[in-house]
Amino acid sequence: DVKVTQSSRYLVKRTGEKVFLECVQDMDHENMFWYRQDPGLGLRLIYFSYDVKMKEKGDIPEGYSVSREKKERFSLILESASTNQTSMYLCASSPIGQGGHEQYFGPGTRLTVT
Amino acid sequence: DQQVKQNSPSLSVQEGRISILNCDYTNSMFDYFLWYKKYPAEGPTFLISISSIKDKNEDGRFTVFLNKSAKHLSLHIVPSQPGDSAVYFCAAPSGDSWGKLQFGAGTQVVVTP
Repeated sequence: DVKVTQSSRYLVKRTGEKVFLECVQDMDHENMFWYRQDPGLGLRLIYFSYDVKMKEKGDIPEGYSVSREKKERFSLILESASTNQTSMYLCASSPIGQGGHEQYFGPGTRLTVT
Repeated sequence: DQQVKQNSPSLSVQEGRISILNCDYTNSMFDYFLWYKKYPAEGPTFLISISSIKDKNEDGRFTVFLNKSAKHLSLHIVPSQPGDSAVYFCAAPSGDSWGKLQFGAGTQVVVTP
């Protein structure tokens, strides 16, 4: 059974704090993604990675960075959290190749920045 | 620029009736489409997909129809059940080699008893 886990379901942080969101997948997938979900805006891609130590910017990378030191783990970093980063953060993974369209999602982290 | 659009933010339907969710896209190069379902406080889960070589794909109560000339697809749920109450996202691969998906804004479906 495929599994993507995220380190926290709920987080409350203060403005200016450095925030780490961790994601682990056990499917040996090459691709990993970080999205944020906001009402009326759907899922917007922040960053993605197609291999260890490789990363690419998505549609809204400003204010975020990522790290992928191991294939199974993809971290999202908010260098200095701001209130407009309050959101639901979703991690996903997918294999490369013909079957790579479907992405598998973690349960999400609801982050509140006060 | 949003290339996948779901213009109805919400839909309310009675249990047992048909739910029809719509999705439009602007990029004629899109050749595969996916629907995801998302419950509150959970991640999206894959529901059904369709390739552009087909105009219909059915899986139990869920059917997706694709009209390439209109750049439009729809998801039909028949009959609707209370457990179908969720947000539904339409998505399409962006066409690059990285497996990226373009998602619509989502439609909140509420099925009432």
